[in-house]
Amino acid sequence: ETGVTQTPRHLVMGMTNKKSLKCEQHLGHNAMYWYKQSAKKPLELMFVYSLEERVENNSVPSRFSPECPNSSHLFLHLHTLQPEDSALYLCASSQNQGAPETQYFGPGTRLLVL
Amino acid sequence: KQEVTQIPAALSVPEGENLVLNCSFTDSAIYNLQWFRQDPGKGLTSLLLIQSSQREQTSGRLNASLDKSSGRSTLYIAASQPGDSATYLCAVSGNQFYFGTGTSLTVIP
Repeated sequence: ETGVTQTPRHLVMGMTNKKSLKCEQHLGHNAMYWYKQSAKKPLELMFVYSLEERVENNSVPSRFSPECPNSSHLFLHLHTLQPEDSALYLCASSQNQGAPETQYFGPGTRLLVL
Repeated sequence: KQEVTQIPAALSVPEGENLVLNCSFTDSAIYNLQWFRQDPGKGLTSLLLIQSSQREQTSGRLNASLDKSSGRSTLYIAASQPGDSATYLCAVSGNQFYFGTGTSLTVIP
């Protein structure tokens, strides 16, 4: 596979469940990102990892917990979510972390919290 | 904080028309501006990237312009086709990417 892949593509979970979203990039990039896309709102940056170190956490609630075990993989662990957390979660990567770099996006995971 | 606005929110045109999508941003201290395309339920595909020192970029039927001093960018699509139907997002980069809410384009055959 090439590019950025995300699994699962769709997820339905109850508020007491624990689940994880997975992102994998096959581009040899050093930086990876999690974004949240809600209806009628701009994409919101959640987390940034550069060389497996977290460099940005945009005031995201602790019920979202990221993990970057290596430069190719990024996880978002979910627990005790709220219905308002229902959204499209997008993963992206770039060669390096920093403004001039273009980002490559995965197809997203559509999350519904009941 | 940087704010990015896209107008119109939705646009419907007949096939073959030329069209312009608009993007404005509040802080002109940007590194670059990027236009993305998003199909329903899918991720974002980069269309054009304009560095802050550039005025425009072209790719096929697409032309994007940047006026950093006025905080504006336009995406021009020539001879629109039904396959162009999608949501178009504008993003500017400072210390991070800031996205607009997008313009939903429908090209009617």
